[in-house]
Amino acid sequence: GAVVSQHPSRVICKSGTSVKIECRSLDFQATTMFWYRQFPKQSLMLMATSNEGSKATYEQGVEKDKFLINHASLTLSTLTVTSAHPEDSSFYICSAPDRGQANTEAFFGQGTRLTVV
Amino acid sequence: QKEVEQDPGPLSVPEGAIVSLNCTYSNSAFQYFMWYRQYSRKGPELLMYTYSSGNKEDGRFTAQVDKSSKYISLFIRDSQPSDSATYLCAMKGFNKFYFGSGTKLNVKP
Repeated sequence: GAVVSQHPSRVICKSGTSVKIECRSLDFQATTMFWYRQFPKQSLMLMATSNEGSKATYEQGVEKDKFLINHASLTLSTLTVTSAHPEDSSFYICSAPDRGQANTEAFFGQGTRLTVV
Repeated sequence: QKEVEQDPGPLSVPEGAIVSLNCTYSNSAFQYFMWYRQYSRKGPELLMYTYSSGNKEDGRFTAQVDKSSKYISLFIRDSQPSDSATYLCAMKGFNKFYFGSGTKLNVKP
């Protein structure tokens, strides 16, 4: 199956700093990428949909100024958590549907465990 | 009502058992159905993908979709301890994916 690479897998940062998470589709082009947040023992909560060449679409309740998303190319989307707080500590996962497969399957990155201290 | 309902478990079975995992959904427009396996602190891994109603088999895994009942299942035959993970069902609606909450499976040796 298609491969999505997410980096870093784990990051610890101080309160008030910003953290950037990268999501790359390695062997296919992704016009759309999804960013999720996952709390322990819970399912994936969609935060935003990243669209190549246009603004991201944020889900209700997600602060767009805090979670900056940039989809610079057909293979790269980034999520920047700005002015991080301890409550932002979570597991963040990106996924991308394969445009060549009519966007019907979503492939996930390995996830990023963010800890804000 | 949630778009997708899935029993969180945990489900504990002995090695070699047949495992049945299920999800129900409310939106009859869903056409694409997926099952993912997620190990602790890792991203979900796509296991099975089916389109519309019917069965699909891949090794020890069988996915079933019953659109008339809005019910999907994943069967695991000859379960192994390495199958211990959380299993997420997912469906694709218009431009968005909807996930179940995941069922935690523990296969005991």
